[in-house]
Amino acid sequence: AQKVTQAQTEISVVEKEDVTLDCVYETRDTTYYLFWYKQPPSGELVFLIRRNSFDEQNEISGRYSWNFQKSTSSFNFTITASQVVDSAVYFCALGDSGGGADGLTFGKGTHLIIQP
Amino acid sequence: GAGVSQSPSNKVTEKGKDVELRCDPISGHTALYWYRQRLGQGLEFLIYFQGNSAPDKSGLPSDRFSAERTGESVSTLTIQRTQQEDSAVYLCASSWTGGYYEQYFGPGTRLTVT
Repeated sequence: AQKVTQAQTEISVVEKEDVTLDCVYETRDTTYYLFWYKQPPSGELVFLIRRNSFDEQNEISGRYSWNFQKSTSSFNFTITASQVVDSAVYFCALGDSGGGADGLTFGKGTHLIIQP
Repeated sequence: GAGVSQSPSNKVTEKGKDVELRCDPISGHTALYWYRQRLGQGLEFLIYFQGNSAPDKSGLPSDRFSAERTGESVSTLTIQRTQQEDSAVYLCASSWTGGYYEQYFGPGTRLTVT
């Protein structure tokens, strides 16, 4: 069975600090997909990134970066120079090779609070 | 272009009543998903529609839940004889096709059963 663990329930940092959100996943599939979504206070989930299991290259998008390590089954997300607008709940999710029919398995989310 | 829309945005209902939630996916998206998010929790997958294929209903929490989709457009999630444990935000998402292309989510329907 698939599982996604986000051990950090809540993180609070001061603006401009760097922060890393952890995500550990479990799957028996060799082909799978990993996602990060942001849920701001407004409630609507915003897609951030999708990675497949064959692409272990780290990715950087502006202040956001993702570190995918199959050896530790982790897909961590780092925000550099955090800003108040980054305050949100962040979800890590896993999709297996079932072609979407099983939906995504989400972690319970990490509530990130950026204090001015 | 327009995103995924859901209606109503909020629904308060009495225990035992039936409710119908609606989702309009992004035009051209063939895959549609329903999820449930309980307070402070992650998302729980309910059901998936792909094109005109019959959906797998095994993810629905009970036989009080049903879902339909008209072709590749609107979907409705119906909950019969609502219970207090059904209170949650119901989220709909669509994607260009299945196979784990990125899913785009609607704003959700917050259901409160009193």
